[in-house]
Formats: sequence, structure tokens, C-alpha cells
Amino acid sequence: DIQMTQSPSTLSASVGDRVTITCRASQSISTWLAWYQQKPGKVPKLLIHKASILENGVPSRFSGGGSGTEFTLTISSLQPDDSATYYCQQYNSYRTFGQGTKVEIK
Amino acid sequence: EVQLVDSGGGLVKPGGSLRLSCAASGITLSNAWMSWVRQAPGKGLEWVGRIKSKTDGGRTDYPAPVKGRFTISRDDSKNTLYLQMNSLETEDTAVYYCTTERRDSSGWYGGADYWGQGTLVTVSS
Repeated sequence: DIQMTQSPSTLSASVGDRVTITCRASQSISTWLAWYQQKPGKVPKLLIHKASILENGVPSRFSGGGSGTEFTLTISSLQPDDSATYYCQQYNSYRTFGQGTKVEIK
Repeated sequence: EVQLVDSGGGLVKPGGSLRLSCAASGITLSNAWMSWVRQAPGKGLEWVGRIKSKTDGGRTDYPAPVKGRFTISRDDSKNTLYLQMNSLETEDTAVYYCTTERRDSSGWYGGADYWGQGTLVTVSS
């Protein structure tokens, strides 16, 4: 089974900061990776698929990168609305989620 | 617009069974790849299984924690997806979501683009 490890588990940053979340796969998954945003009490929302392709309507301050085993989700200028938990998910072989990264606004 | 409505959750004793439903509109489930995802209280997301489209053979796959206990099926006449859960354990307590999987331009499926609202399953004596 492919394991996904996110870091950090929690991130606290100020409005306007550039923040990066890392997701590592236990084996190569090419670019078969998605990122989700989940706010408290809400259903997860797909932000990015195929490692770097933004879903329609997702603000351009979000970007994804990487291939193989190491991936990143970057928010170029953190906004108050970005306070949420972010998950990566591989879909190269079955599906596995990372454990999540909680992003807080200072 | 695609809408998924999850139902069937409730309180069940350990060892018991429950069947969850996901009623779809705006999409023909037999043509879609569908997954179930769960989230235990205060915890992260966990994939619990997938069914491929009819044209892709309708195969189902499950991760180790639920394999042999959970079964995904579809009723095409009702455009409804099911998750049959047997031999339930306290660790199965979670909100369960059905999701569609997006198909990209290369024909590869992955990424859950539509989600039901979730249904809570509580396994407790």
C-alpha cells in the first residue's frame, strides 16, 4: 500500500505570507495526486488534481507542484478564508490520503 | 449540476450491519467511478472503497481495514450507490461520504470532485 505523509501537521502564518505544505509518497505516484481543502463542519473541496492542475474557481494564489514522491501545495499570499485543513491524496494505486495539515491564521 | 445525497447512517452495535445509500442526480452512476470516504470524529479522511464504471468493468476495490466487511454496489435503475457494512467495529464510527471521481483528458480517474453531505455512522454498545 502507498503511504502519504504530510508536513507540517499544523502551520500558523500571517495574512499575506507564502505558505507551503509538503506531501511525500512511500513510492512513486507520477503526478497522480490531488489536494483538498476542508473547513470545519464542511465537506472537503477538491483544489488541485494531477499534482498541479487547479480546479475551476480555485483562486490562483493556490498552486501545486512535484512528481514522483514529493509534492507541494503553496499558497502565495495567505488570506483569512484559507484557514482550513488541507489533505493530499494519491490515486496512482487505489487511493490514500495524507493525515492533513491544519493552516491557522496568526 | 451533480448532486449526491448520502443517507442510512445511525447507531449500530459492534458486530452489526448497516447499508448506506447515495442518491445521485445530474450524473449517471453506471458511467462514473465512485468512491466512499470516511472521517472519524476529529480525524482525517480515509478512503474506504471504489467502484469503477460499468464500461470499465464495474470492479470494486477496498483498503485492508474494510476488505471483506464492506461492499460497494450500484442500482442503476435508481441511480443510487450503496455501501454495505458488516461486522462493524467501534473504529468504523465516522461520517461517510460518497464521491464521484473526475476523469482527466488522458482517461485516468482520480480526485473526488463531487461529495455527498455525509452520513454519520456510530458503532457503540
